[in-house]
Amino acid sequence: DGGITQSPKYLFRKEGQNVTLSCEQNLNHDAMYWYRQDPGQGLRLIYYSQIVNDFQKGDIAEGYSVSREKKESFPLTVTSAQKNPTAFYLCASSIDRGRGTEAFFGQGTRLTVV
Amino acid sequence: DQQVKQNSPSLSVQEGRISILNCDYTNSMFDYFLWYKKYPAEGPTFLISISSIKDKNEDGRFTVFLNKSAKHLSLHIVPSQPGDSAVYFCAATSGNQFYFGTGTSLTVIP
Repeated sequence: DGGITQSPKYLFRKEGQNVTLSCEQNLNHDAMYWYRQDPGQGLRLIYYSQIVNDFQKGDIAEGYSVSREKKESFPLTVTSAQKNPTAFYLCASSIDRGRGTEAFFGQGTRLTVV
Repeated sequence: DQQVKQNSPSLSVQEGRISILNCDYTNSMFDYFLWYKKYPAEGPTFLISISSIKDKNEDGRFTVFLNKSAKHLSLHIVPSQPGDSAVYFCAATSGNQFYFGTGTSLTVIP
């Protein structure tokens, strides 16, 4: 089945440690996104990539880094510089049609800093 | 600044009645609008969309209305069912960027 897979579903991190969240898609989508969801704040864009080896900062990129070495993969690293990393992280992808496209989401990763 | 707004954080409706979820946007360059449904601890799932050149799109119990002059979008669910209870996000796109509202939590009371 085609889709977007995020792993792990739950992740615990000690303060001061970097952690990488995985996102893989087999939909042959060009564009991929990372969002963060916090209670009452909807979905906020962290980073997005429209093509391999290229990515752009979203609204809340500070303390995060990404890479896009393959079309299928868009891992997100939460660094120790991120002041409040505990959140629900969502990865999405879409076809680059220029307009009129839907984003498809993975099941999310719940990151908790302990 | 929030370009897509959902001013009602929650809504309760009796089963069988109509649910109306509202969304406002500020950017006149948005050309495609979407609604997503989300259950706790899961990713949002696409529900229905509408192009800026239309004012209505219907899919079964779900209808989306677009009022471009008012920059207003609404989702109607008729009849509402208990399984519709979830958080609903509206979204708008310009090119490949998606802008989401803060969500409305819908509770359908049996």
